[in-house]
Amino acid sequence: ILNVEQSPQSLHVQEGDSTNFTCSFPSSNFYALHWYRWETAKSPEALFVMTLNGDEKKKGRISATLNTKEGYSYLYIKGSQPEDSATYLCAWPRNAGNMLTFGGGTRLMVKP
Amino acid sequence: NAGVTQTPKFQVLKTGQSMTLQCAQDMNHEYMSWYRQDPGMGLRLIHYSVGAGITDQGEVPNGYNVSRSTTEDFPLRLLSAAPSQTSVYFCASSRDSAREAFFGQGTRLTVV
Repeated sequence: ILNVEQSPQSLHVQEGDSTNFTCSFPSSNFYALHWYRWETAKSPEALFVMTLNGDEKKKGRISATLNTKEGYSYLYIKGSQPEDSATYLCAWPRNAGNMLTFGGGTRLMVKP
Repeated sequence: NAGVTQTPKFQVLKTGQSMTLQCAQDMNHEYMSWYRQDPGMGLRLIHYSVGAGITDQGEVPNGYNVSRSTTEDFPLRLLSAAPSQTSVYFCASSRDSAREAFFGQGTRLTVV
């Protein structure tokens, strides 16, 4: 993997469902992995930045895990709500002195 | 709490015109960057800076110039606008690439 890849591209779930998305990134020379939440007509907002293999972060019903050796991160949403509808982006800096390269995002739509 | 301020929010240009998108941050962040967002393409890095006087190219730099004379400001110049530059542009800043990035409100640019 040369860049950041996210799957699935989009996801439709019912309110109350739990869901998860995947971010894959190059596992060599790992520095950090970012997750952002992007609502329509707004700007992306940071959810988590993870730097250590095995990191687990949590914010309310949203959590993320990181595996730097195999180059993936999972984002979990427990009990999805309509207000969770957004595009979730992961991003990875190629090195310490570089900017973020973003994946294509996972668009989540939660139906009431 | 201004954060990252982008101006203008909307702009229509004619092919061949030039203009500058302004970006200013008041968080004393060293890292600043410009992204463009196109349907189905996610966020793509145009140019970035890791400190005053230092700039570098991202994935899609052609047709754009930047400079970083102060820590606070990072303007993006379109030299001769083309319809292919119709996009939504986001400026972002961060302390470094292992810290969360803060985004401006975005500029929707249409080139006719």
